[in-house]
Amino acid sequence: RKEVEQDPGPFNVPEGATVAFNCTYSNSASQSFFWYRQDCRKEPKLLMSVYSSGNEDGRFTAQLNRASQYISLLIRDSKLSDSATYLCVVLSGGGADGLTFGKGTHLIIQP
Amino acid sequence: DTAVSQTPKYLVTQMGNDKSIKCEQNLGHDTMYWYKQDSKKFLKIMFSYNNKELIINETVPNRFSPKSPDKAHLNLHINSLELGDSAVYFCASSQLTGPTYEQYFGPGTRLTVT
Repeated sequence: RKEVEQDPGPFNVPEGATVAFNCTYSNSASQSFFWYRQDCRKEPKLLMSVYSSGNEDGRFTAQLNRASQYISLLIRDSKLSDSATYLCVVLSGGGADGLTFGKGTHLIIQP
Repeated sequence: DTAVSQTPKYLVTQMGNDKSIKCEQNLGHDTMYWYKQDSKKFLKIMFSYNNKELIINETVPNRFSPKSPDKAHLNLHINSLELGDSAVYFCASSQLTGPTYEQYFGPGTRLTVT
């Protein structure tokens, strides 16, 4: 199975700062891309999908570079509640194949 | 009105036992999945079922068998449990047709084999 690679962190960031995560994927045929968020001892939840043109949802901006096989997530004005593990996720083939998850980047927002 | 539910939430059992984990979704989705998250927090697909048919079967031991009595349920049966089976098992569901693709996860079952 093709891989998705992320820096595991932890990233310790002061509240209010801007933080960026990156991930790379190895399967050039991958079709869809997502960022999921997982809180400690909880299930993963979709944060946002990632589109080639880049997309923004409030304080969160996601970008995709297909040529470099690279996905990014930017969080502006970080809040204490943003502390979590952020999972870079790739869908290759049809949806029935399931998702390929990166190992996640652990973010800690400090007051 | 939980979208994806799993039972039990915690399962502690001894090596060699056989156990089952149940999963139900009330979203009307056509595909359900089982994922395993190991001690290193790596989340990996195990199985998926689409319309009661197994679509993929990752290289998991055949001690693991998914069973889907209907579109809303996907249970996971594990025979002869081993220490290495200790992990959190997540059920998920999705609708393959439609404008967006999102998987919804259940709360997880934390399995500890002693």
